[in-house]
Amino acid sequence: NAGVTQTPKFQVLKTGQSMTLQCAQDMNHEYMSWYRQDPGMGLRLIHYSVGAGITDQGEVPNGYNVSRSTTEDFPLRLLSAAPSQTSVYFCASSPFGPIQPQHFGDGTRLSIL
Amino acid sequence: AQKITQTQPGMFVQEKEAVTLDCTYDTSDPSYGLFWYKQPSSGEMIFLIYQGSYDQQNATEGRYSLNFQKARKSANLVISASQLGDSAMYFCAMREGRAGTASKLTFGTGTRLQVTL
Repeated sequence: NAGVTQTPKFQVLKTGQSMTLQCAQDMNHEYMSWYRQDPGMGLRLIHYSVGAGITDQGEVPNGYNVSRSTTEDFPLRLLSAAPSQTSVYFCASSPFGPIQPQHFGDGTRLSIL
Repeated sequence: AQKITQTQPGMFVQEKEAVTLDCTYDTSDPSYGLFWYKQPSSGEMIFLIYQGSYDQQNATEGRYSLNFQKARKSANLVISASQLGDSAMYFCAMREGRAGTASKLTFGTGTRLQVTL
């Protein structure tokens, strides 16, 4: 079972570079989300989507873009990387329904120099 | 104001003992859900247990139970018969509103649990 797949697992960027973190799920889940995890701060929501073609901002959206052209994929784009975006990024998905837990990918550890 | 508060940065428990991890929440929405996740040192997020705001009984899943006190806005995780493999970070999270917001979770800062021999 693939579940939620994130690529890459590790990445080092220079300030000002752009890149896309990939997220794919094979469970036909409607909902997908991106979180970042920083030391001592838990996970914070960046962007989320309730279905293909629908996205919205979370708690910390600045510096990030998302799109949801298919149910399976939800890429996160860093437009111009900054050291403050050094973090561990998690993608999650869940099916429709209020009690459904989110299924998380294994995370992408991103360092911005 | 913090929506999810976990006041215990770290906890120790002896193997085979029970331990309670605290979580308080803040919401004015009558419909909400509370989740607990485990994050071992390998980094993945593992769903443990869920409690809905309208659920009459406390949730249980194997050795995990949720002590839900709605009036006090607390949703503490109880782990019975602790095992060495329970050593991890534990996060409490809340989803507010109806099903359409199921993709939005607010997390606490976590509690690091260490199980000792």
